[in-house]
Amino acid sequence: EPEVTQTPSHQVTQMGQEVILRCVPISNHLYFYWYRQILGQKVEFLVSFYNNEISEKSEIFDDQFSVERPDGSNFTLKIRSTKLEDSAMYFCASRGTRIRAGQYFGPGTRLTVT
Amino acid sequence: AQTVTQSQPEMSVQEAETVTLSCTYDTSESNYYLFWYKQPPSRQMILVIRQEAYKQQNATENRFSVNFQKAAKSFSLKISDSQLGDTAMYFCAFMKRPQTGANNLFFGTGTRLTVIP
Repeated sequence: EPEVTQTPSHQVTQMGQEVILRCVPISNHLYFYWYRQILGQKVEFLVSFYNNEISEKSEIFDDQFSVERPDGSNFTLKIRSTKLEDSAMYFCASRGTRIRAGQYFGPGTRLTVT
Repeated sequence: AQTVTQSQPEMSVQEAETVTLSCTYDTSESNYYLFWYKQPPSRQMILVIRQEAYKQQNATENRFSVNFQKAAKSFSLKISDSQLGDTAMYFCAFMKRPQTGANNLFFGTGTRLTVIP
């Protein structure tokens, strides 16, 4: 069964550094998402992406965040200058045209900002 | 805005028994989807079951079934014949039926389920 993959599985970075989290969505999917989950809290929506542009974004997704689909397969989340509170699990998800199939999630990248 | 509430932070069930996890939501939308996702200790989110709001019939997937009460805005998950592998965090999620664009999921705070041998 096709799956969403994410790299790296764990990233440790120092405050103020830039990080790029990478995702490879399922190949025939058209809608892409980033969510984050701070330890012990609920999963929160960050941004959705469709047709090579941001479709929707949450209040969390401020100017420090950006997303890109640099080629036909990768979908990246960049945090320009990380803060301690950016420490979280970041999940990528993708969806095809069949809405009822739901979103398929990747295994997540654990980001630790020190 | 959509909100999803899961009022049971933790639950436990004996192996082979049945357990029901509660979820309520608030929305002004008439067309939407509801989902239950499972997050085992490995942390990967796995779709368990889905329900379209326009369908009156409750969804069923093997040992998993839902009780969808649209008027009450309630969407509970029943797990029958619980297995040790069901131990996980369970999230209820809501999605508007998209007209255009991607439409995101709104998650509840989760219920941690432990299946006791």
